[in-house]
Amino acid sequence: NAGVTQTPKFQVLKTGQSMTLQCAQDMNHEYMSWYRQDPGMGLRLIHYSVGAGITDQGEVPNGYNVSRSTTEDFPLRLLSAAPSQTSVYFCASSVGQNSPLHFGNGTRLTVT
Amino acid sequence: DQQVKQNSPSLSVQEGRISILNCDYTNSMFDYFLWYKKYPAEGPTFLISISSIKDKNEDGRFTVFLNKSAKHLSLHIVPSQPGDSAVYFCAASGGKTSYDKVIFGPGTSLSVIP
Repeated sequence: NAGVTQTPKFQVLKTGQSMTLQCAQDMNHEYMSWYRQDPGMGLRLIHYSVGAGITDQGEVPNGYNVSRSTTEDFPLRLLSAAPSQTSVYFCASSVGQNSPLHFGNGTRLTVT
Repeated sequence: DQQVKQNSPSLSVQEGRISILNCDYTNSMFDYFLWYKKYPAEGPTFLISISSIKDKNEDGRFTVFLNKSAKHLSLHIVPSQPGDSAVYFCAASGGKTSYDKVIFGPGTSLSVIP
């Protein structure tokens, strides 16, 4: 039982490049979400999903796309990376409402 | 506009003493609150939670208190241990339009000094 797995652990991009951050969970959780962590800002919600085929925006969705074609996977896409997207990204999942989130170990992204 | 605030970026406590971490929220629709602990280079891990129907929840050395009228919650760690040194995040969710969104505060870095 691996929990929440994020890949890659580290990534460096040039401005304008695109990439996908992968997130997979093996706990059959319906709820999945993406956060970014920046100094002094805590964890800010980017996008979330309450089940396969359903996604919605969080606090800071601009510049990011998501899709949820299966229960297990919730990839986060950066279509045109900007230096402001330099951050540590965390994927999380939970059973549902009012249940604790289980986090992956993060992806550290640098955009130059 | 931050809906969940942790006004102390850092806190230092002697080993064996009590650590008190505070959290304030602005959205009166929040009805479920959680604390997470985070070590460097790891993801946050769940510590303890409280529903708005309670004013206290206890789990071993950790107790969370909720004051709904003041929109304030606190996490007490007694006794504090060096292994408790980490960043602690307060989080909240709830309300008809936002029950699926879990909103985090900026975190408090706790150092427990041996």
